[in-house]
Amino acid sequence: DTEVTQTPKHLVMGMTNKKSLKCEQHMGHRAMYWYKQKAKKPPELMFVYSYEKLSINESVPSRFSPECPNSSLLNLHLHALQPEDSALYLCASSQERDTYEQYFGPGTRLTVT
Amino acid sequence: AQRVTQPEKLLSVFKGAPVELKCNYSYSGSPELFWYVQYSRQRLQLLLRHISRESIKGFTADLNKGETSFHLKKPFAQEEDSAMYYCALSGFGGQNFVFGPGTRLSVLP
Repeated sequence: DTEVTQTPKHLVMGMTNKKSLKCEQHMGHRAMYWYKQKAKKPPELMFVYSYEKLSINESVPSRFSPECPNSSLLNLHLHALQPEDSALYLCASSQERDTYEQYFGPGTRLTVT
Repeated sequence: AQRVTQPEKLLSVFKGAPVELKCNYSYSGSPELFWYVQYSRQRLQLLLRHISRESIKGFTADLNKGETSFHLKKPFAQEEDSAMYYCALSGFGGQNFVFGPGTRLSVLP
């Protein structure tokens, strides 16, 4: 299995809801990433996990809460989001952090109403 | 801090013409440079990385440390090359992965 999968594909949530995004890879990669991508913009790094430990948090608001339950799985918990948080959320993985090519999932299109 | 610039938001060329997508970077150490491509309705995928010196789909890119550039080139563009191209940089020693703003390549028939 050489793919990164993400669920759900689309998510619509209200500002008071709690939801989670899920990302999975079975390539034995030890680094996993969350990115946010707004329309016609490049992906912006949010979080990096290396060996299941959070190694980088790019000053992301606390309404986004990452979790790495095991080496294959990465979650992003969402709570009290704002409409400006609507974006495509991409997950990626790499063999090791930073210096290896990243493999991207298809993304979750999030709309906050 | 590291930074990647891609001066052209949109580049249009005719099929069969040469194409060059520009990328410049600023980084104090020895970076790793990548080109990623995103075709319509497909996920972002690696096109090539400077360290492997490969030619993928006819594309090549050479790292020029003196000019801090990593331009992507192809001698004869094809319509299927139309896509969004991102130059990206990764630093050693725990530095973040950063994307440039991207260049949309449109190859006209």
